[in-house]
Amino acid sequence: QVQLVQSGAEVKKPGASVKVSCKASGYTFTGYYIHWVRQSPEQGLEWMGWINPNNGGTTYAQKFQDRVTMTRDTSISTAYVELTSLRSDDTAVYYCAKWGHLGLDSWGQGTLVTVSS
Amino acid sequence: DIQMTQSPSSLSASVGDRVTITCRASQDISNYVAWFQQKPGKAPKSLIYTASTLQSGVPSKFSGSGSGTDFTLTISSLQPEDFATYYCQQYKSYPYTFGQGTKLEIK
Repeated sequence: QVQLVQSGAEVKKPGASVKVSCKASGYTFTGYYIHWVRQSPEQGLEWMGWINPNNGGTTYAQKFQDRVTMTRDTSISTAYVELTSLRSDDTAVYYCAKWGHLGLDSWGQGTLVTVSS
Repeated sequence: DIQMTQSPSSLSASVGDRVTITCRASQDISNYVAWFQQKPGKAPKSLIYTASTLQSGVPSKFSGSGSGTDFTLTISSLQPEDFATYYCQQYKSYPYTFGQGTKLEIK
């Protein structure tokens, strides 16, 4: 069955960077886009962008364009999202999700990123 | 950005009830709407895509409808496991955006 397993919780200081991983199993990793979505009580669910694991192509939400990088390592079926210049309002749970034939169909368990001095 | 407005924000219902949640888009998004269920401390679960198509394994008690700007999620014969928060999402144009959520509580 499809599984997306994310890396563990992170605590970062303002101005630092964080990189979250998402390891896929149970399907052909290069066949489906991976999206990243974050959730906080203040902002709700926010779509950050996607990566095409087949060729590394990406699309980012304009809000994150200057600070986000999505990458992948096909040898280990893992996608990554890196967010730089962290601020307190980046504190959120970050989710990866697989885009199926016509929508997000499977989600990772989430990774809590806390930004605090 | 396209705004997705859900109503109501919260809803109390009893086991066995049928409920409807509404989502309104700020512009025409055809049928590019998905619905998700989320329980406390858990990741969202995908229920419906293209406004009315159930994801694999989702029971038929869930149904979706709508096109253009107005969409609904209906849940029939509520069971205890259905009490959760529900979100709509548009994927007609970037950035994909979500509604603010509807919390379904037991009366």
